[in-house]
Amino acid sequence: QSALTQPASVSGSPGQSITISCSGTSSDIGGYSYVSWYQQYPGKAPKLMIYHVSNRPSGVSDRFSGSKSGNTASLTISGLQAEDEAVYYCNSYTSSSTLLFGGGTKLTVL
Amino acid sequence: EVQLLESGGGLVQPGGSLRLSCAASGFTFSNNAMNWVRQAPGKGLEWVSHISGRGIGTYYADSVKGRFTISRDISKNTLYLQMKSLRAEDTAVYYCAKGFYDSSDYLWALDFWGQGTMVTVSS
Repeated sequence: QSALTQPASVSGSPGQSITISCSGTSSDIGGYSYVSWYQQYPGKAPKLMIYHVSNRPSGVSDRFSGSKSGNTASLTISGLQAEDEAVYYCNSYTSSSTLLFGGGTKLTVL
Repeated sequence: EVQLLESGGGLVQPGGSLRLSCAASGFTFSNNAMNWVRQAPGKGLEWVSHISGRGIGTYYADSVKGRFTISRDISKNTLYLQMKSLRAEDTAVYYCAKGFYDSSDYLWALDFWGQGTMVTVSS
């Protein structure tokens, strides 16, 4: 199964907002609410940032928010900070009872 | 504090086998689904396999189905990944990750990750 589609890179200035899209199909994103987002710094393990489309785990800043429309999910980061510079991955449950990641989006804070 | 510690990685020849382990602590291991996720050098994340809390339900990515087997030993709080017929494209850091629950509902998200163990398949 092909990876979910994310832009390779996005950028923004401190204080701005950015949105990362994640496109799938009706067999994954469009069919379920099990969409999650992960943040990964170089050489580190990923960290769960959003689960069930739009929910934040305890300890994750409310500057991070998630949404979904049809077959596309989105992660929005508001009030960009230098520490947000990382790679972000979307993930979805699929009709095959598997999980599928996106290719990852590198966020650069200018 | 939740801790996941992977081990068992290393260099193996194509066609060879390897068993990865993930020692879990800080949570009730038998109540939580577990997963393996891998990341090839310089590449993105790839989900590999899932096992339910009691080990009854297992799922695999098409890329490893028939070659990899996920299992768990509840008495040892340890997750395993038996890998056979290894290929060069299996070269990656392998992470074990704990399934995320809200109340008692499994939400197919991964809330705690180990630091990973490197598997290199090369002659």
